[in-house]
Amino acid sequence: AQSVTQPDIHITVSEGASLELRCNYSYGATPYLFWYVQSPGQGLQLLLKYFSGDTLVQGIKGFEAEFKRSQSSFNLRKPSVHWSDAAEYFCAVGASNTDKLIFGTGTRLQVFP
Amino acid sequence: KAGVTQTPRYLIKTRGQQVTLSCSPISGHRSVSWYQQTPGQGLQFLFEYFSETQRNKGNFPGRFSGRQFSNSRSEMNVSTLELGDSALYLCASRARMRGNEKLFFGSGTQLSVL
Repeated sequence: AQSVTQPDIHITVSEGASLELRCNYSYGATPYLFWYVQSPGQGLQLLLKYFSGDTLVQGIKGFEAEFKRSQSSFNLRKPSVHWSDAAEYFCAVGASNTDKLIFGTGTRLQVFP
Repeated sequence: KAGVTQTPRYLIKTRGQQVTLSCSPISGHRSVSWYQQTPGQGLQFLFEYFSETQRNKGNFPGRFSGRQFSNSRSEMNVSTLELGDSALYLCASRARMRGNEKLFFGSGTQLSVL
């Protein structure tokens, strides 16, 4: 079955601390992997995506993610978190020729000053 | 360039009614998809359209339907509303049906069913 697991429902970090959000996926075909961020009452904004090639991908707002095929993981990282990063983060997996994405349940990030 | 526009922003309906939500994609985008977001079920795919053709459909009952017009604008309809249909409905668009094309999301329509 195709699925995405985000094991951390809620994470709290101090501003300036490093961050890692976990994502594991189960997908039969070659996965296209995404991280999206959602602020309250807003739609989703794409942070970064992985299709092929270099397994370390850079995104917007200083985020990066590493694809590890052997672990079926696509963890999101940021070396120094800013208060404005507080939001909900979603990992998603899809295929090349469809808009149908399978989303994880999300991780809510809280940032303390 | 204007983003994905969804109307209305908020909607309140009662059980048994029907509702139509509208989505205007980014100019030039021909692919539109819809998602339902609820606290319990998270984000779930509803359908996707490309050039007025439904390409894919999620696992929702037949009460949920949609269509795309020749100008790429899309509507989704939910008939015989149930309390569980209360959700944020998100529309997304992109230029072509290719995975490496960025998917842009609207801010959604918040539907409350009383």
